Amino acid sequence: AQSVTQLDSQVPVFEEAPVELRCNYSSSVSVYLFWYVQYPNQGLQLLLKYLSGSTLVKGINGFEAEFNKSQTSFHLRKPSVHISDTAEYFCAVSDLGNTGFQKLVFGTGTRLLVSP
Amino acid sequence: GAVVSQHPSRVICKSGTSVKIECRSLDFQATTMFWYRQFPKQSLMLMATSNEGSKATYEQGVEKDKFLINHASLTLSTLTVTSAHPEDSSFYICSAPGWVPTEAFFGQGTRLTVV
Repeated sequence: AQSVTQLDSQVPVFEEAPVELRCNYSSSVSVYLFWYVQYPNQGLQLLLKYLSGSTLVKGINGFEAEFNKSQTSFHLRKPSVHISDTAEYFCAVSDLGNTGFQKLVFGTGTRLLVSP
Repeated sequence: GAVVSQHPSRVICKSGTSVKIECRSLDFQATTMFWYRQFPKQSLMLMATSNEGSKATYEQGVEKDKFLINHASLTLSTLTVTSAHPEDSSFYICSAPGWVPTEAFFGQGTRLTVV
């Protein structure tokens, strides 16, 4: 079975500072990895995903993540955050399941709080 | 990208009543819809998978008689929480797979509060 661990439930940071949100996963097979963002009162929006190839993945809004197979990690980073980045961030791993479609296994989420 | 519209976004109901949550795929046909639930400070957990024209598949520990799922058309899937109790208070969100296995489109979510 697959699982995802997000060790930090909340990360406070000042505007324009860099940030890293940590994600570790466990799986016995090759995986697809995702980061989603949830703004208040909104659904989940895909930030970026790793499928194969380059381990450094660039996403929307200036975010990037690096897949590290040996450490089973997929940490999310941004060199300079904005107030508008305040949101909940979810790391997820795919499970194709019996339907052949994607079922996602999520971490518990990390709340990024950006202050002036 | 494709849009999944979920309603209502928030609902408060009395204990013992039923609540229906709808998810519509607005510009594509969704033969499958995943329903997730998120309790406070916990991750999104898959509850069930609905398939158009057939019975839903429930994850272990989810009561199928309590959480009724209907996927009557290619653009509409509904989740009905029957005889709701305060412990059913949670955030419910649906997701439809995209055209490739690595895509998923999420609804806006429904925050259910049972009083």
